Amino acid sequence: QKEVEQNSGPLSVPEGAIASLNCTYSDRGSQSFFWYRQYSGKSPELIMSIYSNGDKEDGRFTAQLNKASQYVSLLIRDSQPSDSATYLCAVKGPLSGGYNKLIFGAGTRLAVHP
Amino acid sequence: GAVVSQHPSWVICKSGTSVKIECRSLDFQATTMFWYRQFPKQSLMLMATSNEGSKATYEQGVEKDKFLINHASLTLSTLTVTSAHPEDSSFYICSAMPFLTEAFFGQGTRLTVV
Repeated sequence: QKEVEQNSGPLSVPEGAIASLNCTYSDRGSQSFFWYRQYSGKSPELIMSIYSNGDKEDGRFTAQLNKASQYVSLLIRDSQPSDSATYLCAVKGPLSGGYNKLIFGAGTRLAVHP
Repeated sequence: GAVVSQHPSWVICKSGTSVKIECRSLDFQATTMFWYRQFPKQSLMLMATSNEGSKATYEQGVEKDKFLINHASLTLSTLTVTSAHPEDSSFYICSAMPFLTEAFFGQGTRLTVV
């Protein structure tokens, strides 16, 4: 079982719609959860971080965390063509040798069409 | 957010030669940095954790003699790919966590071995 799982997509949504991206993780001890956006050929950029159960909103983005279900999601409202990218879910794994490692899912490719 | 700078952004080298990639934290001190590798259409795979003043911690399956990591100062980590071969061609990305929370990434280095 992979530590962080995402549907690879592509997820195709029309411009202006809500895009819903999902992620599950296996380690119940995980404490920190992140969503990164990666454009083709570029390095990831942080969109959202979430640490406690519930919703966290930032502009058009909402992250949702449910630790009991080991599930984290990202909603993108009013999707724009510029949102077309790969979205990476990342989970901070348990302390190992004193270092905090980020474990990434495979990413979901989002395509927003006009 | 914090700034992590990576250099070079791309490099082409001949098979059998070595290539050095630099990762700098510009506005914070980083006792720990992380090196990732990403093949096309795949997720980021953590290669090693770079520790200032001590040996790097390598992930399982990563050859420490091939991927030399040096973290000589609080703002600089280097990754040297020794005796590079075409199968080492990949996108190499470094990151750091200035506040032990979110990870910030360098721009990435596209390595092509011919």
